[in-house]
Amino acid sequence: ILNVEQSPQSLHVQEGDSTNFTCSFPSSNFYALHWYRWETAKSPEALFVMTLNGDEKKKGRISATLNTKEGYSYLYIKGSQPEDSATYLCAFIGTGTASKLTFGTGTRLQVTL
Amino acid sequence: NAGVTQTPKFQVLKTGQSMTLQCAQDMNHNSMYWYRQDPGMGLRLIYYSASEGTTDKGEVPNGYNVSRLNKREFSLRLESAAPSQTSVYFCASRGQVYEQYFGPGTRLTVT
Repeated sequence: ILNVEQSPQSLHVQEGDSTNFTCSFPSSNFYALHWYRWETAKSPEALFVMTLNGDEKKKGRISATLNTKEGYSYLYIKGSQPEDSATYLCAFIGTGTASKLTFGTGTRLQVTL
Repeated sequence: NAGVTQTPKFQVLKTGQSMTLQCAQDMNHNSMYWYRQDPGMGLRLIYYSASEGTTDKGEVPNGYNVSRLNKREFSLRLESAAPSQTSVYFCASRGQVYEQYFGPGTRLTVT
């Protein structure tokens, strides 16, 4: 069983704060790393698909970086807003795993006014 | 496009009862998946189907069976429900860069 860990488990920030969280994954047999955003009472939605070491992706105020050699990815949110409140999941795909994703347990972000 | 749809949204079963969760996608994706979500456990893969006519076990397949009826539909069956199968079940299909498109989920309670 692959070990995909996310930290912190939960985070509570004020509106306007910038924040970041970490996903760590096996550094061998890397194929891809995904980030998903999961709002309460909804389904997870893909934010980023990252495949190359050094990759940086950005969508509005949210960005992500990838280091496959050391096995970690960071997700950054600049100027957090209440609508950013959600659980952020990362998922690892290894080579030779027939496209099966291994999900972390998520970081739950709450942004208050 | 409806994306990925699941039925039912909610279900309560008694121990030993059986039921089938239905899933369909209209995005012409080859691969489909069933996950369960439990508190503190993350999403865990139950079964997946890489293409029509094929199915494979995931991380937690015991107590479940699946059928890939055609390219659109992938169903999950609980033959004899147990309280340990109380969970939220998500169906997903896989896009071109392996991203998952999730259905709305089925909340199942087994008493």
